[in-house]
Amino acid sequence: QKEVEQNSGPLSVPEGAIASLNCTYSDRGSQSFFWYRQYSGKSPELIMSIYSNGDKEDGRFTAQLNKASQYVSLLIRDSQPSDSATYLCAVISSNSGYALNFGKGTSLLVTP
Amino acid sequence: DAMVIQNPRYQVTQFGKPVTLSCSQTLNHNVMYWYQQKSSQAPKLLFHYYDKDFNNEADTPDNFQSRRPNTSFCFLDIRSPGLGDAAMYLCATSREGGGQPQHFGDGTRLSIL
Repeated sequence: QKEVEQNSGPLSVPEGAIASLNCTYSDRGSQSFFWYRQYSGKSPELIMSIYSNGDKEDGRFTAQLNKASQYVSLLIRDSQPSDSATYLCAVISSNSGYALNFGKGTSLLVTP
Repeated sequence: DAMVIQNPRYQVTQFGKPVTLSCSQTLNHNVMYWYQQKSSQAPKLLFHYYDKDFNNEADTPDNFQSRRPNTSFCFLDIRSPGLGDAAMYLCATSREGGGQPQHFGDGTRLSIL
């Protein structure tokens, strides 16, 4: 059973719209949640970290965490073509030690 | 002002010929990690160092070794690369372990001939 699940996409949104990316995880004891952006052929870049239930906003990005539903999401407002990338959800589970458990990522395409 | 630096960016080696990838950091972070990412897959942790303490993931092949001679540098040694080891190798650091964010270098793409 995969520990971190994401819809692989591609998710296509028009420029200026809100992109909504979703992630579910299986370990109820997980405490640390991250969103990374990865452009093709590049390394993951940290976008957001979130540790407690609710919303966390940073510029155009909002991370949402619901531990009861084991669900974490990333909203990107005013999407730009430069946001086109794969977004990786990563979780540090209670049994994973230091390892980031990554989902397979959602491919986002922002069309002009 | 790159903070996690990996060299080389691209590495080509022959089947069975040992290869070493390097990572350095200017963040003075205690923890350094090596991940393997194959095409269209998520990164997978191979091992990590907390300071000088080495921690190997259970399913990391014996073919992979690591060294951390000091706080700033960490090396990944692949003793006898096989075709299945072709991948992007990612070095990451975090200030401490547990739930702290991990920051990645640009990666080394390894090709096996």
